[in-house]
Amino acid sequence: DQQVKQNSPSLSVQEGRISILNCDYTNSMFDYFLWYKKYPAEGPTFLISISSIKDKNEDGRFTVFLNKSAKHLSLHIVPSQPGDSAVYFCAASEGGSEKLVFGKGMKLTVNP
Amino acid sequence: GAVVSQHPSRVICKSGTSVKIECRSLDFQATTMFWYRQFPKQSLMLMATSNEGSKATYEQGVEKDKFLINHASLTLSTLTVTSAHPEDSSFYICSARGFGRREQYFGPGTRLTVT
Repeated sequence: DQQVKQNSPSLSVQEGRISILNCDYTNSMFDYFLWYKKYPAEGPTFLISISSIKDKNEDGRFTVFLNKSAKHLSLHIVPSQPGDSAVYFCAASEGGSEKLVFGKGMKLTVNP
Repeated sequence: GAVVSQHPSRVICKSGTSVKIECRSLDFQATTMFWYRQFPKQSLMLMATSNEGSKATYEQGVEKDKFLINHASLTLSTLTVTSAHPEDSSFYICSARGFGRREQYFGPGTRLTVT
C-alpha cells in the first residue's frame, strides 16, 4: 500500500516557465512533508519542507503548497531552469516517527 | 551546512567478501542516521535506522546479520555488507538527521558491484 504517490512519472517544461509537481498521500497522520531533488548516481538533495500547520512555504524559486483536506501537496518551481532537470521525490513523515516515506519520484526535464 | 559524506563512492568486490561503507555528517551532529538502498528506476528503500550508541532498527525483510550497522559516534555510521553476493549489488545511500530536526540530509551514495 503506497502511502505517498507521485502519479505522473515525468514532466517536461520550457525554460522560464513554471513547473508544478504533484504528490498525494493517504495517511492522515502525516504532519511533515518534504521535497528532494536527485540527480543520477547521487544522493537526494533536500529542497523544501512544510509542516501540516501551514498551507504554503516559499524558498526562492521553490514554493510548496499543502492541501490537507485533499491530502495533496505540490511543488512549484518558477522560473524553471535547465539545471532543475532531475528526479523529484516527495516524502512525508508522521509525528513521533523518524522515518520518511517516499513517493516513487517524478522526472522533470526543463528544455532550454 | 548539513553536509553528509559517504565513502567509498564506488566499490567492486568479489562474491563472499565483506565491504564497509562509511557515512559521516560533516557539519552537524547526527542523532539518527538512516541507510537506504535504491534499485534502478525505483524509489529509495529504507533498510535500517540507527541512533548513536544503540542497536540499529532494521526494516522488515532486511537481514541484520548480513547488513551490519554501527553508529559509533554522532558523526559516523558504517554499513558492512557481509559475505556479499551479486544480488547485493546496488546503490546504497545514507542520510542523517540532527537533533530536533525532521529533514534528513543524504550522502552522495555508494555504488556496490559484487562480481
